[in-house]
Amino acid sequence: EVVLTQSPATLSLSPGERATLSCRASQSVNYYLGWYQQKPGQAPRLLIYNASKRATGVPTRFSGGGSGTDFTLTISSLEPEDFAVYYCQQRSNWPSMTFGGGTKLEI
Amino acid sequence: EVQLEQSGAEVKKPGESLKISCVGSGYIFSDDWIGWVRQIPGGGLEWIGTVYPGDSNPKYNPSFQGHVIISADKSTATAYLQWGGLRASDTAIYYCVRHGHYYYMDVWGQGTTVIVS
Repeated sequence: EVVLTQSPATLSLSPGERATLSCRASQSVNYYLGWYQQKPGQAPRLLIYNASKRATGVPTRFSGGGSGTDFTLTISSLEPEDFAVYYCQQRSNWPSMTFGGGTKLEI
Repeated sequence: EVQLEQSGAEVKKPGESLKISCVGSGYIFSDDWIGWVRQIPGGGLEWIGTVYPGDSNPKYNPSFQGHVIISADKSTATAYLQWGGLRASDTAIYYCVRHGHYYYMDVWGQGTTVIVS
């Protein structure tokens, strides 16, 4: 099983700042990695797929990068609505998949 | 609009059985895999399993295999997650998801809260 480790567990920043979230895989997942955003009381939402492709309707301030075992989600300039929990997910051995433990982005 | 509509919250006792549902609309249900994700209160996301409605041959996370059954009925555009004997540790929110774009979870249901106590 591919284990995804997200860091940091909590990231404290202010609106307007740049956020960089990390996701590391225990073995290569090629580029088969996605990022999801979850706000309190809501279902998660797909932000990024295949490491760097923005899902429909996702603002351009969100960008994904990386391949193999190391990936990042960058939010270029934080908006108040971006404070949430972010999860990475790999599907390199589809139809099996795993999630990371999440990073809480707090104000 | 593509939607997944899940059944309502459930409160059950340990050992009881349960089947929750997820109805897809706004797309061709049999074209895309449907999965289930668990979220324990205050916890992260766990993939439970996934089924292709066209052949109903589910794939499971080994951690859940043997404890739950996933199925889908393409004639009613409905996916199901069922338990034969609930445990207190099954208390969680369960989301159904569509594996759409490149098999990522691009549409999520609103979640079904299951409390086992």
